[in-house]
Amino acid sequence: GAGVSQSPSNKVTEKGKDVELRCDPISGHTALYWYRQSLGQGLEFLIYFQGNSAPDKSGLPSDRFSAERTGGSVSTLTIQRTQQEDSAVYLCASRGGTDTQYFGPGTRLTVL
Amino acid sequence: GDSVTQMEGPVTLSEEAFLTINCTYTATGYPSLFWYVQYPGEGLQLLLKATKADDKGSNKGFEATYRKETTSFHLEKGSVQVSDSAVYFCALSRDDKIIFGKGTRLHILP
Repeated sequence: GAGVSQSPSNKVTEKGKDVELRCDPISGHTALYWYRQSLGQGLEFLIYFQGNSAPDKSGLPSDRFSAERTGGSVSTLTIQRTQQEDSAVYLCASRGGTDTQYFGPGTRLTVL
Repeated sequence: GDSVTQMEGPVTLSEEAFLTINCTYTATGYPSLFWYVQYPGEGLQLLLKATKADDKGSNKGFEATYRKETTSFHLEKGSVQVSDSAVYFCALSRDDKIIFGKGTRLHILP
């Protein structure tokens, strides 16, 4: 029973480059979430996928951020033209039939 | 809107001390309440939860009771260990999402 996995664990990029972050949810979980955790801050909700429904994108901070979920499983969060303020830990979580979310270890993004 | 407020840290205690981390919430209805823990270098883990008023969640010696009358879900442990050093997040569920507090960093000194 694997948990939620994320890759890469660390990503260093230059300002202006695009990055892709990957999340593999727990098998069978229909809901998938992305959060951002900035230094000294709490968790900021970004986007939520539930089954085949249109995703809830209400937390995305700008149009440089997008996410997709292919085949109802793996999800990719893409940040275009990265800025230094995008530096943070990006956390993915999945949820099955209860209201408990299970988190991955996160991807630490550093934008130089 | 719904929100969670928890005591600011860092909280520093000696080993075997009694721990309380305060958490209050604002919400319509009766959401489920959670405590998540984040150990250094790791992702968040569910520590405990309570789904209705007067329920007590417990795990690893930690406890929290869902208090509707005071809209609180304070985290307690009778005797902390160095290994409890982590960041603790109080949270509530609302419309398939979880709303988190800002987290409380706990340092336990040997």
